[in-house]
Amino acid sequence: AQSVTQPDIHITVSEGASLELRCNYSYGATPYLFWYVQSPGQGLQLLLKYFSGDTLVQGIKGFEAEFKRSQSSFNLRKPSVHWSDAAEYFCAVGALGTNAGKSTFGDGTTLTVKP
Amino acid sequence: NAGVMQNPRHLVRRRGQEARLRCSPMKGHSHVYWYRQLPEEGLKFMVYLQKENIIDESGMPKERFSAEFPKEGPSILRIQQVVRGDSAAYFCASSLPGQGLYEQYFGPGTRLTVT
Repeated sequence: AQSVTQPDIHITVSEGASLELRCNYSYGATPYLFWYVQSPGQGLQLLLKYFSGDTLVQGIKGFEAEFKRSQSSFNLRKPSVHWSDAAEYFCAVGALGTNAGKSTFGDGTTLTVKP
Repeated sequence: NAGVMQNPRHLVRRRGQEARLRCSPMKGHSHVYWYRQLPEEGLKFMVYLQKENIIDESGMPKERFSAEFPKEGPSILRIQQVVRGDSAAYFCASSLPGQGLYEQYFGPGTRLTVT
């Protein structure tokens, strides 16, 4: 069964600083990986996704993520954080076959942005 | 094109009452997924449905919970005899047939509070 670990429950960065949110996954085959953002009281918005090909994926709002098979990681990065980026971020892995459609989510990382 | 719609957005129920959560998928989407988010946790898969058929209900509690997606109308997640532990945010996502692995579009969620 697949699993996702987000080691950092809470991260605080200053506005304008760079950001990296960690995500480690466990899955037996090539994973389908996603990053979502959730603002307070809202649903999830897809930031970016990786299925195959180039391991550096560009997403919306200036985010990018890099798939590293050797480290089973899919870390999310942003070079310069804006105050509006404060939210909760979820990494997720999808599966093929009989589990298709059943995404597994990490517990999330809450991002606080200091002025 | 309207996104995934969920109602009500907030629902308060007393212990022992029934809760009905509705989800209208995006236009053209015939596959629906329900997830539950407990406080301070990530989303946990509950059930995957297509119209008139349950594909995967491996994440559904064995008792009191049921889901349907009729030929006409929204998908319904029903919780009978609610208990305090059912208090959570319930999210619905939808996808095109066969595309759930690649992209699910999430609704804003229903926040259930059991008093």
